[in-house]
Amino acid sequence: EIVLTQSPGTLSLSPGERATLSCRASQSVSSSYLTWYQQKPGQAPRLLIYAASRRATGIPDRFSGSGSGTDFTLTISRVEPEDFAVYYCQQYGSSPLTFGGGTKVEIK
Amino acid sequence: EVQVVESGGGLVQPGRSLRLSCAASGFTFDDYAMHWVRQAPGKGLEWVSGISWNSGSIGYADSVKGRFTISRDNAKNSLYLQMNSLRAEDTALYYCAKGRGGALYDSKDYWGQGTLVTVSS
Repeated sequence: EIVLTQSPGTLSLSPGERATLSCRASQSVSSSYLTWYQQKPGQAPRLLIYAASRRATGIPDRFSGSGSGTDFTLTISRVEPEDFAVYYCQQYGSSPLTFGGGTKVEIK
Repeated sequence: EVQVVESGGGLVQPGRSLRLSCAASGFTFDDYAMHWVRQAPGKGLEWVSGISWNSGSIGYADSVKGRFTISRDNAKNSLYLQMNSLRAEDTALYYCAKGRGGALYDSKDYWGQGTLVTVSS
């Protein structure tokens, strides 16, 4: 099983600042099958990025994903008020599919 | 509009069974993989199980393997999760999610609002 470790656990930022979220895998993720989701309180997760760097439909271009192998990053170029949420990475290159523990982006 | 709606959750005693259902609409159901993902109260996301478009590829988390069975009925646009030998640690909100493609190994682009399963005596 591939274990995904997300850091930091919590990121405190002011609107307009840049957010950099990390997702590290215990072994290489096949074909960069890494995705990022956003979840707000009381809501279902929302797909942001798939295949490590491809934005899902309707996702603003301030969100970008990068990385390969075992190290992946989600960047929010300028955090907007609606971006404060929990972000999860998930690998879908091998079964069982696994999620990271999440990074909470909170208002500073 | 793509919609997936879960049902079947509730309070159940340890060791008993429960069957979850997910009704899909707004897309060609038999073209896409489907998944169950759960979230224990106050915790993170855990993938439970997934099934490819034609049921040819199925996967389970180690924590539920041998106890849970996923299935789909493409004629009814429905996904199911049969949960047996339930444990307290299975208590969670269970989400149904649509795969981005037909293969099991893909991300999930639409999610339901979840159905709550509580395992307690």
